Amino acid sequence: DTAVSQTPKYLVTQMGNDKSIKCEQNLGHDTMYWYKQDSKKFLKIMFSYNNKELIINETVPNRFSPKSPDKAHLNLHINSLELGDSAVYFCASSQDFQRSQETQYFGPGTRLLVL
Amino acid sequence: GQQLNQSPQSMFIQEGEDVSMNCTSSSIFNTWLWYKQDPGEGPVLLIALYKAGELTSNGRLTAQFGITRKDSFLNISASIPSDVGIYFCAGQLPSGTYKYIFGTGTRLKVLA
Repeated sequence: DTAVSQTPKYLVTQMGNDKSIKCEQNLGHDTMYWYKQDSKKFLKIMFSYNNKELIINETVPNRFSPKSPDKAHLNLHINSLELGDSAVYFCASSQDFQRSQETQYFGPGTRLLVL
Repeated sequence: GQQLNQSPQSMFIQEGEDVSMNCTSSSIFNTWLWYKQDPGEGPVLLIALYKAGELTSNGRLTAQFGITRKDSFLNISASIPSDVGIYFCAGQLPSGTYKYIFGTGTRLKVLA
């Protein structure tokens, strides 16, 4: 009965490969997010989707492409992985980004290591 | 990118002591959230604040939404070893994308 789930939990891959991370939420929320947490634990938003529509697209290399097949899923595809992409990637969801009294719930994270 | 100033950056305290940490910004926020992150886990929501001046408690935790809407405080009373972790504040921008900006984190270590 996990609220926000991500797969895989760990991902080790070679530079230049393409990989995907999947996220699903069973909270009935409309808005989902991808965050990147670096080695210093700084959390920065990358993307946000509301009801399958992109609403936030921070300055992220276009090698990163989010895809939302439905409002319960937000996947992240990364092309041509680079060493600097190594980080922990968190998915999160909230009921509706424009609603008052919003809260965000985070998944357990995907630890990506690019060799 | 934008970040909130969170202090202290890290702290060691004795079990049973009270802890205070805060987040400050030059921007106004609609909402403040406080999270705790344990090693190898995702951030877990502790307290949510929605109105300037609001004071909210969750067990031994108390958080306040600053009157100016530019800051927030989290207090932990009578700390215990399981309070160890990284505490993050997050402020939601009032308009536009309504995105959350996260603080730099406070790393708390409790000495038994």
